[in-house]
Amino acid sequence: DQQVKQNSPSLSVQEGRISILNCDYTNSMFDYFLWYKKYPAEGPTFLISISSIKDKNEDGRFTVFLNKSAKHLSLHIVPSQPGDSAVYFCAASGAQGGSEKLVFGKGTKLTVNP
Amino acid sequence: NAGVMQNPRHLVRRRGQEARLRCSPMKGHSHVYWYRQLPEEGLKFMVYLQKENIIDESGMPKERFSAEFPKEGPSILRIQQVVRGDSAAYFCASSPRLNTGELFFGEGSRLTVL
Repeated sequence: DQQVKQNSPSLSVQEGRISILNCDYTNSMFDYFLWYKKYPAEGPTFLISISSIKDKNEDGRFTVFLNKSAKHLSLHIVPSQPGDSAVYFCAASGAQGGSEKLVFGKGTKLTVNP
Repeated sequence: NAGVMQNPRHLVRRRGQEARLRCSPMKGHSHVYWYRQLPEEGLKFMVYLQKENIIDESGMPKERFSAEFPKEGPSILRIQQVVRGDSAAYFCASSPRLNTGELFFGEGSRLTVL
């Protein structure tokens, strides 16, 4: 029962272009969505988040879009840089009465080629 | 201003032995979470603790696994009688308060069961 799905295990883009990472969820009770970035042999680090009452949140090169009717969110990275190469996890919280429990997708490995 | 500290980083155990993983949260953080990442999977919530209290252990296997966060000292995740299926990366995270999911993760403890 995978409540948060990242259907693309990997994505490869050219430096300077846009990276778009996608995420779908099934539980309409989620009220907060987050993206975490993870380098090999390190823990995940928080990147950006969005509340379910919004449809867009922007922070520098990173923008997250939320489409509640489609239960879909995406992370846009513009322009992509080689240092962005990492595994990106989509996560959601709030479905079970407490916002402390995150439900993660399986991740998408992004490779940005110079 | 140290981050979340986990040790050991790598632990090798034989089937039937015990594994103890330690986590010191960031200074000022009173909320601790443990997540497990199996190979090729996303992170799965295990347990959420505050000082001397288990708040939510709904993600913990019913047997062999236990967690504590004593008044003094680090949080401990204990796995008794380990089996090969326990081989995974175990991540600890902390936060200063109950929030919307923006957690600070440690670098993880990788358990290998022979």
